[in-house]
Amino acid sequence: QKEVEQNSGPLSVPEGAIASLNCTYSDRGSQSFFWYRQYSGKSPELIMFIYSNGDKEDGRFTAQLNKASQYVSLLIRDSQPSDSATYLCAVNTGTALIFGKGTTLSVSS
Amino acid sequence: DADVTQTPRNRITKTGKRIMLECSQTKGHDRMYWYRQDPGLGLRLIYYSFDVKDINKGEISDGYSVSRQAQAKFSLSLESAIPNQTALYFCATAGTSGRASTGELFFGEGSRLTVL
Repeated sequence: QKEVEQNSGPLSVPEGAIASLNCTYSDRGSQSFFWYRQYSGKSPELIMFIYSNGDKEDGRFTAQLNKASQYVSLLIRDSQPSDSATYLCAVNTGTALIFGKGTTLSVSS
Repeated sequence: DADVTQTPRNRITKTGKRIMLECSQTKGHDRMYWYRQDPGLGLRLIYYSFDVKDINKGEISDGYSVSRQAQAKFSLSLESAIPNQTALYFCATAGTSGRASTGELFFGEGSRLTVL
């Protein structure tokens, strides 16, 4: 069974710090990888996707992919209280996205 | 108006009742999905459909059925609801061309179902 693993947290960081979120996946054939942010009771919203090894930056967010290690991460620089949410890692199996259980991030002011 | 619309947004029902959750989309996407979310368990795939005649089971399809009435409409039914089906249900769509071909999902606002 294809699996996506994330630390559930909570991950607590002070305002202005870097938050690092990690994800591993089991299906070596996976091609694209997603990070979604979800506020309590709301629908997930896409932050970034990545499909090539290395780093991809978008504003304060950087996604990192290492296919050999089957590892995806999300770095959030200059963390803000508004970044406090659950972050879902998702892997494209070719037919659907399989999600991890999510990591809860808390940014204190 | 939202691109992916779910109705009802909230529903409380009793054990044994039949419930239908509806999803409609204006994104023109072929692929539609139903996911279930429970606290601490992330999103789990119930059913997915690539077109009107192509419906597939996900990892937790037992106790659920679906109907793809049109390209834009995908309904989820609970024939006889039970309390452990209490959850937040999301409909999502995905395209198959351009950036959408990466598999990115576009979510509805969710339907919160409580089974007593």
